[in-house]
Amino acid sequence: DSGVTQTPKHLITATGQRVTLRCSPRSGDLSVYWYQQSLDQGLQFLIQYYNGEERAKGNILERFSAQQFPDLHSELNLSSLELGDSALYFCASSPSIYSYNEQFFGPGTRLTVL
Amino acid sequence: AQTVTQSQPEMSVQEAETVTLSCTYDTSENNYYLFWYKQPPSRQMILVIRQEAYKQQNATENRFSVNFQKAAKSFSLKISDSQLGDTAMYFCAFPGGSEKLVFGKGTKLTVNP
Repeated sequence: DSGVTQTPKHLITATGQRVTLRCSPRSGDLSVYWYQQSLDQGLQFLIQYYNGEERAKGNILERFSAQQFPDLHSELNLSSLELGDSALYFCASSPSIYSYNEQFFGPGTRLTVL
Repeated sequence: AQTVTQSQPEMSVQEAETVTLSCTYDTSENNYYLFWYKQPPSRQMILVIRQEAYKQQNATENRFSVNFQKAAKSFSLKISDSQLGDTAMYFCAFPGGSEKLVFGKGTKLTVNP
């Protein structure tokens, strides 16, 4: 158990819908990262937050947004869903912004768009 | 842009034997870290080992060790005395600007009894 929790574990929805994925980082970790894992694209970085502020953006679609709340939990919002958004979405956390820090991954949310 | 390449999509090894997974990367940075993550069938991402580029000594964690060749930008993972529980996808990862991780496509390792 990494100490990072993600809810829900599975999500099945229809095209055009909007969903919210939730992540609680390890106690004390200030950085939260979101990654998308799909068969064709592999593991791709989406976005990073540090202590409530957006710190880095990857290949995140405009239909996707995220935020980190004062209690440090984070939410990833996916809207106008398309079939291609079906993937495993990971949240990871680390203590700080430094690249030597291990990132601790949550169990992921499996999103299926029908 | 930083890239990470794993040239072996799939590998298999017999239990108790040794296997080496390859990884090459591209960066213009001089001081950085490299990681190997394991993803078993449960899908959980687990850190296997970490290497600091400025250290000459290769990192070792029990049965796992790396062969780090900085000039060649090569970072291979050696698993000794392979166990059935080592069956998993293995990803090489590198901090690609800011603090995000850039992952290779992965190597699917199967340990056969």
